[in-house]
Amino acid sequence: DGGITQSPKYLFRKEGQNVTLSCEQNLNHDAMYWYRQDPGQGLRLIYYSQIVNDFQKGDIAEGYSVSREKKESFPLTVTSAQKNPTAFYLCASSGLAGSSYNEQFFGPGTRLTVL
Amino acid sequence: QKEVEQNSGPLSVPEGAIASLNCTYSDRGSQSFFWYRQYSGKSPELIMSIYSNGDKEDGRFTAQLNKASQYVSLLIRDSQPSDSATYLCAVRRYNQGGKLIFGQGTELSVKP
Repeated sequence: DGGITQSPKYLFRKEGQNVTLSCEQNLNHDAMYWYRQDPGQGLRLIYYSQIVNDFQKGDIAEGYSVSREKKESFPLTVTSAQKNPTAFYLCASSGLAGSSYNEQFFGPGTRLTVL
Repeated sequence: QKEVEQNSGPLSVPEGAIASLNCTYSDRGSQSFFWYRQYSGKSPELIMSIYSNGDKEDGRFTAQLNKASQYVSLLIRDSQPSDSATYLCAVRRYNQGGKLIFGQGTELSVKP
C-alpha cells in the first residue's frame, strides 16, 4: 500500500522541549517537503529536500531542523527556539526532483500543541 | 501583494449548481498550477493539475488557466454537499526546486 505516513497524529509538547515529527514515504519519490498550516491559513514551507543528504530552507525555517539520511524518510525536529510551534504539520513528497511538472502528495499530518 | 491570492469565502452554492473558484498569481515565471481540496481537520488532497493555457476536465472538475491574465480557476459542476471543503490553489515557479506557493484557500459550502 503506497503512500506517505506521518507520526504521531497528535503531539503535545511542553515549553522548552524539542520534539521530532516522523515522515516516511514508500512512493520512491526523490523530493520531500515540510509545511506548516495555521488555522485559516494556507501552507507555508519549512524545509525541503530534493535528494538524500541534502536539504534547503523554506520560508519559515527558523526554529526547525531536518535530516535526510534515507530516501524514504524526512524527519522534522521542532526545537525550543521555535516561539509559536502550535500548528498542523504536513509532510509531502513528489517524484522527480527539479521537474516543474511534479505533483506533490501529502501525508495525513501531525497536529502539534504546546502546553 | 500576495504571490498567490484567493477569495477566502465562504462561497455558498446550492446542490447541483456550478461552483467557481478563482486564483490569481503574481509571478509570470510560474509554470505549474494545482488545486487541492482540504476537508476540515484533514490534509490536502490533489484534485487537479494544469500546465498549459486552456481548460482541463476531469469528471465534474474543470481547471482553467490563463497565463496572460495570470489566473487559474476551478469549476465544479453538479456540486454536492460532499464537495464542501476548503480549496487551495498552489503555484510552482520554474527552477524553484519543486517549491509550491499556496494561496490561503477558499471555503466552499454546498447547501442541500
